Amino acid sequence: QVQLQQSGAELVKPGSSVKISCKASGYTFTSYDMHWIKQQPGNGLEWIGWIYPGNGNTKYNQKFNGKATLTADKSSSTAYMQLSSLTSEDSAVYFCAQGLLSDWFAYWGQGTLVTVSS
Amino acid sequence: DIQMTQSPASLSASLGETVTIQCRASEDIYSGLAWYQQKPGKSPQLLIYGASSLQDGVPSRFSGSGSGTQYSLKISSMQTEDEGVYFCQQGLKYPLTFGSGTKLEIK
Repeated sequence: QVQLQQSGAELVKPGSSVKISCKASGYTFTSYDMHWIKQQPGNGLEWIGWIYPGNGNTKYNQKFNGKATLTADKSSSTAYMQLSSLTSEDSAVYFCAQGLLSDWFAYWGQGTLVTVSS
Repeated sequence: DIQMTQSPASLSASLGETVTIQCRASEDIYSGLAWYQQKPGKSPQLLIYGASSLQDGVPSRFSGSGSGTQYSLKISSMQTEDEGVYFCQQGLKYPLTFGSGTKLEIK
């Protein structure tokens, strides 16, 4: 069965960067886009972008250009998202999500809480 | 970007009651719509995709309908476990966008 296991909560300082991970299992990691989604407390969901681990191609929501960088390690079936120049607006839960061949998400990681605070 | 507008923002329903949540897209999304349920502290769960297809394992009291810019999610008989926040999402164009959510509670 498809499983997405994310890294733990992060407390980071303003202006710094953070890299969170999503380890995939139960399917062929290199064959399907991995998506990332942001959820601020009490707020809705924002799609950040996807990476195709097979060749490293990416597509970003323009809003997150320069903020998020998506990478993937085929050898460990792990996708990563680095967030840079962090501000309080980046404090949120970040999910990786997988739709296999679709752009709806049947599989989600458990979420990683990023808190930006001095 | 395609804007997704959900209504109502919140509602409460009695056990056994039929509940309907609406989602309007800012342009025609050709049934490219999904519905999710999210419970506190949990990841969203896919309920409906392609506007009306029921995801495997989802109870049949959930159904989706609509076309063009107007879509709805119906729960035919409200159960206690149906409490949560419901989101719609369009999958037609990038960036993928979500509705702002509808909080459903038991009355």
